Amino acid sequence: NAGVTQTPKFQVLKTGQSMTLQCAQDMNHEYMSWYRQDPGMGLRLIHYSVGAGITDQGEVPNGYNVSRSTTEDFPLRLLSAAPSQTSVYFCASRSAGGPGTQYFGPGTRLLVL
Amino acid sequence: GENVEQHPSTLSVQEGDSAVIKCTYSDSASNYFPWYKQELGKRPQLIIDIRSNVGEKKDQRIAVTLNKTAKHFSLHITETQPEDSAVYFCAASSGGSEKLVFGKGTKLTVNP
Repeated sequence: NAGVTQTPKFQVLKTGQSMTLQCAQDMNHEYMSWYRQDPGMGLRLIHYSVGAGITDQGEVPNGYNVSRSTTEDFPLRLLSAAPSQTSVYFCASRSAGGPGTQYFGPGTRLLVL
Repeated sequence: GENVEQHPSTLSVQEGDSAVIKCTYSDSASNYFPWYKQELGKRPQLIIDIRSNVGEKKDQRIAVTLNKTAKHFSLHITETQPEDSAVYFCAASSGGSEKLVFGKGTKLTVNP
């Protein structure tokens, strides 16, 4: 199993550009989520999904969109990038049936100029 | 919603000493408390977790204790080694929510 994979590893954007961060998992996990990690702020939940076709907002959803058309994929879209979205983004997944081990992807480092 | 406070933000110990990191949570309905370790430039990885029906859990040199009444839980690392140096995150999840709320992290440095 590849586990949770993310692409790209690193991206530079200009203010106002849009892009999609890709996340995929091959563990047949129902639950997937996106976090951003900023220095001194820990991991903050952006959006999450409990299954295909179902998404919900986390702590910091503004400026981001998600969709979940398949169990495997959970892309994160930045609609109009801002310097405040410079961060490291982690995707995570876990199986359903209550809280348990979350498996994180390797992260995407995003720089918005 | 849930709020998780973590202390200290940095911790420096000598190799062989013990390290303790403490977290408090606000939602009395929270029932799952994991700890994640993140090495520099790497992804967070689960090292131990505890559920609200258990007061303590041990796994070799690491242990977690939970005090539901006071709404706090702690990570204990004994006989620390340089490879324990990392950032540690606590988190809490309510049984009624799929969300996991993280503390801000503790940077642990183990000096040889």
